[in-house]
Amino acid sequence: QQQVKQSPQSLIVQKGGISIINCAYENTAFDYFPWYQQFPGKGPALLIAIRPDVSEKKEGRFTISFNKSAKQFSLHIMDSQPGDSATYFCAASRGYGGATNKLIFGTGTLLAVQP
Amino acid sequence: SQTIHQWPATLVQPVGSPLSLECTVEGTSNPNLYWYRQAAGRGLQLLFYSVGIGQISSEVPQNLSASRPQDRQFILSSKKLLLSDSGFYLCACKPGYGYTFGSGTRLTVV
Repeated sequence: QQQVKQSPQSLIVQKGGISIINCAYENTAFDYFPWYQQFPGKGPALLIAIRPDVSEKKEGRFTISFNKSAKQFSLHIMDSQPGDSATYFCAASRGYGGATNKLIFGTGTLLAVQP
Repeated sequence: SQTIHQWPATLVQPVGSPLSLECTVEGTSNPNLYWYRQAAGRGLQLLFYSVGIGQISSEVPQNLSASRPQDRQFILSSKKLLLSDSGFYLCACKPGYGYTFGSGTRLTVV
């Protein structure tokens, strides 16, 4: 029930295309869903996040789509660029504050954008 | 905003040797702190978390331990490293909903 399932494991997209990464969760108590971007040899960095009171959030070329009834959320990268090539992690947590409200991470998606 | 400092960036240690990785946080007080391990090509595994000085919770049984001697200092240790301890170790703090990660330490046990 604590798992967050992420797919695909890897993704190759042409420059200018749309990259789509999907995640699914079981715990309906989760109320915070971030996406992290990680470049090789670096720590993950927060990219965009959504709360379940909205179905979509957009920041620049990055959009989170959230389907509460299906318990799924996805990251869409529009006009994908070679600089977007990285590993992307979805995550979920419950509540605000307190170390026990831990982020549960998906297994990651390695995105390669070909020029 | 918070900044997390981790060192060293890379480390090669022989099997059976001790380990000490340090993480310090700037820009926030009384943060929740976390140690994660990332094996090659895999996701992030939570190892330890701390809500305050001297307060450590372990998520998985293992060869490692953690300590928090000061409010913004978090240390990951081992008395005797195993080959399976190799990986990318990340320190994180949680000032609110999200996490801020450090730049990580790449540990190779040989």
